[in-house]
Amino acid sequence: QVQLVESGGGVVQPERSLRLSCAASGFSFSSYGMHWVRQAPGKGLEWVAVISYDGSNRYFGDSVKGRFTISRDNSKNTLYLQMNSLRPEDTAVYYCAAGEWFDSSGYSYWGQGTLVTVSS
Amino acid sequence: SSELTQDPAVSVALGQTVRITCQGDILRKYYASWYQQKPGQAPVLVIYGKNNRPSGIPDRFSGSSSGNTASLTITGAQAEDEADYYCNSRDTNSNRYVFGTGTKVTVL
Repeated sequence: QVQLVESGGGVVQPERSLRLSCAASGFSFSSYGMHWVRQAPGKGLEWVAVISYDGSNRYFGDSVKGRFTISRDNSKNTLYLQMNSLRPEDTAVYYCAAGEWFDSSGYSYWGQGTLVTVSS
Repeated sequence: SSELTQDPAVSVALGQTVRITCQGDILRKYYASWYQQKPGQAPVLVIYGKNNRPSGIPDRFSGSSSGNTASLTITGAQAEDEADYYCNSRDTNSNRYVFGTGTKVTVL
């Protein structure tokens, strides 16, 4: 069955870095656009970033642009989010999601999320 | 950047119909997708495109769009439909996406 499993979350100090991973299985990973979506405690969903199926195009939300980088390794069926210069407001559960590439097809598959806490 | 606005909360009697709306200028050009999220769980796609349901989503869920408003309708709401619902669409002028503010649906 389809699985997306995030890892790499934890507690990190402000201005430090953290890399999240998302391991995919059960579907053709290299055929899907991949997203990161986050949710601060008690808040709504916020779109973070997207990468095309082949990694050639990447786009970011305003709040993370210039600090976060998204990448993928299709040989390992894995998606990454490199988060630099972290701020307390980056504290959230981070979900990876598969699907949509600007075609209104939606995010078909979601991981269970990994919690990132930015605190001194 | 663009915004998508939803009512914070709606309630519906068991078995009745509820419509959840999502408003924003970007919806004049692009369809919204809809997500159901229950406490402590990841979101689940319930509607995408013009009015498409992924496999496994009950047919009591339907979507529509008119002008700057997208709607998700639950016809014959069940207790298990109690959840937060979010709309999402791509931004008109940039290669980005926007989530709506979310609607908490209570089934009475």
